[in-house]
Amino acid sequence: GQNIDQPTEMTATEGAIVQINCTYQTSGFNGLFWYQQHAGEAPTFLSYNVLDGLEEKGRFSSFLSRSKGYSYLLLKELQMKDSASYLCAAMDSNYQLIWGAGTKLIIKP
Amino acid sequence: GAVVSQHPSRVICKSGTSVKIECRSLDFQATTMFWYRQFPKKSLMLMATSNEGSKATYEQGVEKDKFLINHASLTLSTLTVTSAHPEDSSFYICSASSGQGHTEAFFGQGTRLTVV
Repeated sequence: GQNIDQPTEMTATEGAIVQINCTYQTSGFNGLFWYQQHAGEAPTFLSYNVLDGLEEKGRFSSFLSRSKGYSYLLLKELQMKDSASYLCAAMDSNYQLIWGAGTKLIIKP
Repeated sequence: GAVVSQHPSRVICKSGTSVKIECRSLDFQATTMFWYRQFPKKSLMLMATSNEGSKATYEQGVEKDKFLINHASLTLSTLTVTSAHPEDSSFYICSASSGQGHTEAFFGQGTRLTVV
């Protein structure tokens, strides 16, 4: 079956760095997405990886290893506003998105 | 990024009534729209995929007669929850794409539906 695993909750300190991991198993692969979702709001797009390696976008970076079925989202210089859920989603061969349950990130001062 | 507007953002309705949720792409033509449902602390669940001018494709387990989807134009799709029950209370989110698949899909703001 198709499956996405990511931790349920993580806690980090303002100004620090945090890495949120995601492993996936899909029928075929057409890329991996990371979304940020604040409580009660729709997800907002953060990144899309389809090739192996690290993509950096300001304070956020995303990494993909297709051979390992693994991705991570790296957040640097954490700010209080980064407190949110981070959703990992993999696209299968039919272009269907398989969603993880999200990782709730709690930032402490 | 492109803008997708979803309305209403919150709605409370009585059990047995119907509720319509609109999803509009404001600055691009959405050939494909996706409707999701999200329960608290759960992942997004795709309910259906609709292409403009054709019938929606529903995911397994989603009742097409209960969740009516219309995608009559390239900028508007609607989801109607018919004969709503308290178990239909959820967060409904649409996303719109101008291309194939989800690669270029943008999300609406979501609709919090509460059935009392």
